[in-house]
Amino acid sequence: GIQVEQSPPDLILQEGANSTLRCNFSDSVNNLQWFHQNPWGQLINLFYIPSGTKQNGRLSATTVATERYSLLYISSSQTTDSGVYFCAGHLNRDDKIIFGKGTRLHILP
Amino acid sequence: KAGVTQTPRYLIKTRGQQVTLSCSPISGHRSVSWYQQTPGQGLQFLFEYFSETQRNKGNFPGRFSGRQFSNSRSEMNVSTLELGDSALYLCASSWTGTADTGELFFGEGSRLTVL
Repeated sequence: GIQVEQSPPDLILQEGANSTLRCNFSDSVNNLQWFHQNPWGQLINLFYIPSGTKQNGRLSATTVATERYSLLYISSSQTTDSGVYFCAGHLNRDDKIIFGKGTRLHILP
Repeated sequence: KAGVTQTPRYLIKTRGQQVTLSCSPISGHRSVSWYQQTPGQGLQFLFEYFSETQRNKGNFPGRFSGRQFSNSRSEMNVSTLELGDSALYLCASSWTGTADTGELFFGEGSRLTVL
């Protein structure tokens, strides 16, 4: 079946460092989004990025739909960036949404 | 404007009982979808409702059901609870829910513990 692979699964960084999280899809997807899950479980929208590049403060994202991947960049990490980052998209074939298993990010003070 | 609201936030049930969770979408959003999150299986799609009709369904047993009302509020029900149903249940709303424009906005979730 369709797979969504996120890498790395875990990442530990010092405050101030930069990071790149990757999301690979095994098939075509639409509506690619990036989320940050806060400690209470809520998924917070970071980017809705079916294609192209977007930036929001220290965060930016790029999706190359033709090559079936998306990247999330976090610059100058802060401890509040810690948590789990998920990418998700709608499958073309049946409109269901699938999530990656997430990247758990730990930012050390 | 108000975000997606889920109730209750936390609940504890025993095996064999049933549970109903509620989700109020963002005003104007017509699609509501439900997801189960467990440590072992991650985030899995349960079903999606649009204009009171189920548009899509994930691979869950028939014990999991849902409905949507005319005001777009949605409920999901799990009958004959099993220990493995313990999970965080997340609801999301979107304007259309279609594969072309379905940006999702999530609620805070309902954390269910089955004893």
